[in-house]
Parts: sequence; structure tokens; C-alpha cells
Amino acid sequence: SQQGEEDPQALSIQEGENATMNCSYKTSINNLQWYRQNSGRGLVHLILIRSNEREKHSGRLRVTLDTSKKSSSLLITASRAADTASYFCATDLNTDKLIFGTGTRLQVFP
Amino acid sequence: ETGVTQTPRHLVMGMTNKKSLKCEQHLGHNAMYWYKQSAKKPLELMFVYNFKEQTENNSVPSRFSPECPNSSHLFLHLHTLQPEDSALYLCASSQRAGGLGTGELFFGEGSRLTVL
Repeated sequence: SQQGEEDPQALSIQEGENATMNCSYKTSINNLQWYRQNSGRGLVHLILIRSNEREKHSGRLRVTLDTSKKSSSLLITASRAADTASYFCATDLNTDKLIFGTGTRLQVFP
Repeated sequence: ETGVTQTPRHLVMGMTNKKSLKCEQHLGHNAMYWYKQSAKKPLELMFVYNFKEQTENNSVPSRFSPECPNSSHLFLHLHTLQPEDSALYLCASSQRAGGLGTGELFFGEGSRLTVL
């Protein structure tokens, strides 16, 4: 199986609720990144957390990293309909490879 | 606008055609990437170029041929493709700092390829 796997595969919530997505990986990493993709478009970088960091914030986004469990979570607070998209984690193995997971499809209903 | 431009956005080709995808980055980055995105699959890294030199070929079939004439341009030449090659092909660039990993990728909007 692949290096990064997101959970859940799909998530539906109402506007104003929080959305939490999880990512698990298998090998040691240099950093972990989260990206967003609107349907049929390119990916947009959201946040990068280094292996020696445990938590990072950016606006309504909060990312945690637990290297002992090889897992990360992305929390979107007070979600909006415009947050509807697919969200991917990507692990940087300090090589030329940035390996992406399968993604979580988030649907936020007005 | 991410600073990475891909053309064409959509391409339909027969299995015997030869076509090319183009990517241009205006960010001054030193690394460029091709990814393939198929339905219900993770993004697949295809090729990586650092300072115009190919540093990664992720077991990609020879019917896909990359070319990187300079740090700002990347091409993917396509010939005798198969229907299963239909996918969204994404180009990305990054500024690699030695020993600090790949860093943030900036993606283009992708080229949607359909092989008939």
C-alpha cells in the first residue's frame, strides 16, 4: 500500500462545523504537507509541518503531527461551502519524491 | 494563478498520435515535476528534474518521454499511448534547498488527456 493514506475517504458536514481529516504514513519523513484540490483543478499547498514540529496553524487550519504514531491530522474550523474540495497529505522523504495519499473528499453543505 | 502554466488544458488523441504537453513556471524554481492523476488512485510521481537534470524516473513506460530544456520549461512527449493513460497530468515546481527535502510544490491546472 502507499506511503500516505487519508481517513476518511469522504466527509460531509454542514457549514460552521469543524472538519477533521487524518493521514497515516509508513516511513520516516522530513516533513509532511497538506494540499487542497478543487474538482478538475491543480493542487494548492495549504501547510507544511516539519518532523520536529508537533502543531502548526494557518488561519482556520490546524495541523498536528505525531511522528511516534506516523500520523497527522488536518482540522478545518468553522467550515464554509467554499471549503468543499479534496484534501491530500504528502510525505517528504528528503529525497526527490513527495508522495501523495489518496485524499479525503470534503463536502460542506450550506 | 500559481505561476505554473500548463498547455493544453484538454487533449484528445488517438493511440497512434504523437503530442506534447507543455509546462512553464515563472517562479524561478530549480525543480520541476510531472505527476499523473487517475480516478480513484493517488497522485503518481512520474519524473523529477533538478536544475534541468532528470533525477527521478518512477518506472514510467517509454511511451512517455520528458524533456527539460531549461529550469523554466518542462515537456512531456506522448506517443502510441493506451486508453488507460487517460488521466489528468499535473506539472509542479519547487525551490529545493539542499538537505531540506522537496519543499512546497506549486502546481499548474493540469492537462486533461483522453486517449481513444
